[in-house]
Amino acid sequence: LAKTTQPISMYSYEGQEVNITCSHNNIATNDYITWYQQFPSQGPRFIIQGYKTKVTNEVASLFIPADRKSSTLSLPRVSLSDTAVYYCLVGVHTGKLIFGQGTTLQVKP
Amino acid sequence: DAGVTQSPTHLIKTRGQQVTLRCSPKSGHDTVSWYQQALGQGPQFIFQYYEEEERQRGNFPDRFSGHQFPNYSSELNVNALLLGDSALYLCASSLVEGQEQFFGPGTRLTVL
Repeated sequence: LAKTTQPISMYSYEGQEVNITCSHNNIATNDYITWYQQFPSQGPRFIIQGYKTKVTNEVASLFIPADRKSSTLSLPRVSLSDTAVYYCLVGVHTGKLIFGQGTTLQVKP
Repeated sequence: DAGVTQSPTHLIKTRGQQVTLRCSPKSGHDTVSWYQQALGQGPQFIFQYYEEEERQRGNFPDRFSGHQFPNYSSELNVNALLLGDSALYLCASSLVEGQEQFFGPGTRLTVL
């Protein structure tokens, strides 16, 4: 499965938009891009999934360029409760998920 | 509708012992996956069960085994526990053709 690279940590302030970029140069044709969020001592929670172009739901947007070698998770108007670890994964979504170290996002007041 | 549930929430064992962790999937889900998450790391895939068969397996030794029951619930067994097995064990359920995996809260295993 494709390896992903994302920043180890980021910080933002309440009310700002946060963009977390993930690199996946070896993504396969049938791979999807999925983002999960994890709070301490809890299981990861699905945020959004996409294959190409742009996907938006009530929580976030996912931007995927035409070459699909990267993707950007966009969180609009973050709050303190968005402080968490965010994981970018690529692969066939029904199979095993390969998590990297994720991006620790800290939202400050 | 209950989500994924796991038991116990915490467990303390000593080296060499055996442990069984349990998972009940989200209602209607037929596929269960198990992950191990060490402190500060992302979850690592152990194996996945569908129709009571191990469907995929990650890079874990045979000391790690599992089972899925007809009601889709699952167990993870770890034999001959090592200190390095201390971790948060996560269960995730999904539909075999579903879009996402739903994770439980995990079982915190401490091996002394």
